Amino acid sequence: SQTIHQWPATLVQPVGSPLSLECTVEGTSNPNLYWYRQAAGRGLQLLFYSVGIGQISSEVPQNLSASRPQDRQFILSSKKLLLSDSGFYLCAGDRGNTIYFGEGSWLTVV
Amino acid sequence: QKEVEQNSGPLSVPEGAIASLNCTYSDRGSQSFFWYRQYSGKSPELIMFIYSNGDKEDGRFTAQLNKASQYVSLLIRDSQPSDSATYLCAVNWERDDKIIFGKGTRLHILP
Repeated sequence: SQTIHQWPATLVQPVGSPLSLECTVEGTSNPNLYWYRQAAGRGLQLLFYSVGIGQISSEVPQNLSASRPQDRQFILSSKKLLLSDSGFYLCAGDRGNTIYFGEGSWLTVV
Repeated sequence: QKEVEQNSGPLSVPEGAIASLNCTYSDRGSQSFFWYRQYSGKSPELIMFIYSNGDKEDGRFTAQLNKASQYVSLLIRDSQPSDSATYLCAVNWERDDKIIFGKGTRLHILP
């Protein structure tokens, strides 16, 4: 079965610092992969999705970027974090016609 | 513009009663519809999905889809305190690889 690993689970970063969140998928090949963000009290916002290695679609213009260097690896990055980047970041992958989530990463920008 | 709308709640339902959660979406050509449950501080977990008009039952859960009205709902029978969570509706459109979520409805089951 498909398993999505995501790390780190929590982090506190100062404004202006860089960010790297990593996601890996086990149990499937060539999955569609997604990064969502959930701000406090708000819904899931789709940030990026990828249908294959090196293929990234951005949904929301912002200071974040994503990369997919390997089939089962999806990375979310920022060169300089803003306070508004705080939130719960979720990596997801598809299996069949549904998507399943990793455990999430809590980011607090201070 | 593809949007998924849900009442944010909270929806309070007595234990043992039926909880009814609703979701509307803005664009035709939709293909697949999903309901996720999210406990506070946790990632969403899939409850069920539905593709065709009508009802789909899975245990205490029933999803209802009406594509003509652009409406999908989730019924939870014999509600339990453990059902207290936020319920997220999600939609996948034809020829599109992304899945859009509503903001979720908070459900509170009263013991």
